[in-house]
Amino acid sequence: DAGVIQSPRHEVTEMGQEVTLRCKPISGHNSLFWYRQTMMRGLELLIYFNNNVPIDDSGMPEDRFSAKMPNASFSTLKIQPSEPRDSAVYFCASSLVVGQPQHFGDGTRLSIL
Amino acid sequence: SQQGEEDPQALSIQEGENATMNCSYKTSINNLQWYRQNSGRGLVHLILIRSNEREKHSGRLRVTLDTSKKSSSLLITASRAADTASYFCATVLQGGSEKLVFGKGTKLTVNP
Repeated sequence: DAGVIQSPRHEVTEMGQEVTLRCKPISGHNSLFWYRQTMMRGLELLIYFNNNVPIDDSGMPEDRFSAKMPNASFSTLKIQPSEPRDSAVYFCASSLVVGQPQHFGDGTRLSIL
Repeated sequence: SQQGEEDPQALSIQEGENATMNCSYKTSINNLQWYRQNSGRGLVHLILIRSNEREKHSGRLRVTLDTSKKSSSLLITASRAADTASYFCATVLQGGSEKLVFGKGTKLTVNP
């Protein structure tokens, strides 16, 4: 059974460029979450979707960040324009329903130069 | 601010010893979950304990929950080098949106 799949695994780009991170949740899971992990701030929830609808985006740092879930099997997190302080590991996770155990992908390690 | 705070931040033990990690939280919860993260990997769910449960076991893992003290502990018995990882507690707040709120984790090193 395939787990949560994220791409790319690593991304290095220059400041000002657009970055798009992709996630395929586990089939049948109704909730999808985007997190950011840094040494300083730990694991932060950016946004989550339930049945493809954004429910809570209070963790999205600013308007440069946007997330979409056009269907049950795909989501994107976009940063435009990117800044060095966006450098972090970004995780996608999914669960059957909100509040239940989450399954994490292996993350995208993003470096903005 | 963080809902869950793990203690200690780092723990180093010898293989075969038991490891105990603690988690404190601030507001009432529906459930509390423990996760493990190996270096360079995503988090893996270990165990979920509901607010009306006091203790739960899974293999070498034992989790306790004390809602009066707003704290939980994770005990790993007979530790192995492969248990080396960071361990996080996460809470689902009562009356909230049911999202998970993670602590900053305990980094466990098990020396062979």
